[in-house]
Amino acid sequence: SAVISQKPSRDICQRGTSLTIQCQVDSQVTMMFWYRQQPGQSLTLIATANQGSEATYESGFVIDKFPISRPNLTFSTLTVSNMSPEDSSIYLCSVDPGQDGYTFGSGTRLTVV
Amino acid sequence: SQKIEQNSEALNIQEGKTATLTCNYTNYSPAYLQWYRQDPGRGPVFLLLIRENEKEKRKERLKVTFDTTLKQSLFHITASQPADSATYLCALDITGGFKTIFGAGTRLFVKA
Repeated sequence: SAVISQKPSRDICQRGTSLTIQCQVDSQVTMMFWYRQQPGQSLTLIATANQGSEATYESGFVIDKFPISRPNLTFSTLTVSNMSPEDSSIYLCSVDPGQDGYTFGSGTRLTVV
Repeated sequence: SQKIEQNSEALNIQEGKTATLTCNYTNYSPAYLQWYRQDPGRGPVFLLLIRENEKEKRKERLKVTFDTTLKQSLFHITASQPADSATYLCALDITGGFKTIFGAGTRLFVKA
C-alpha cells in the first residue's frame, strides 16, 4: 500500500493567518482526500482532489476557505485560510480506497490562537 | 438522516479476553464496510474490509462480521493485549468507492 508523508505534523498559528499542509505519496494515485477530525469526533471529508481538475468540496466546506492544489499524481496541498480558533483540529490526507482500504497521512494538528 | 453509531464510551477489558466493538448504521446500503485503528496523534490505519455479500472475515486475531439486515458490524479482537489499546473506527462506503463515511470510534483499553 502507499506511504504518505504529511507535514507539518503540528503548528500553532495566529488567527487571521493561513497554513498550508502538504502530502507527498510514494506512488501515483488518482484521487486524494482531505479530512478534518475534531477532538472526539469522526473524520469529516473536506474535499476530494483529482489531478488536473478542481477539487470537489463537501457541504459546509468552500474553496476560498480551504483551497487545494493537486499539481501531479503524487502531491497535494490543503490551505486553511484566514484561520479562527474554530479551525483548530487535526487535518488528514488520504489516498484511493482499494482492496487495502484508505492509507492516511500521520495528520497535522492545528491550533489557532 | 444517515448515521453511523459506535459506542462513545470506552471499552475496558482484561488482557487475554476478547474485545467486541459494535458499529451500527442507518439509512445506508453500503457496498462494503471497513475497520481502522487510530492511535493518539496518528492517522487511522486500515485493518479489515468486509463486503456486503460476506458475513465474516478474519485476519490473525481480528474478526469482523457484517449483518446487512441488522445494519450492524461487530469487530472482535481475540486474546487481547495491552498493545491493542487504541481507538477503532468503522467506515462505510456509500457510493461504490468515491465517498466513505467514518464513525467517531470507540476507545479500547486493554489492562495487563
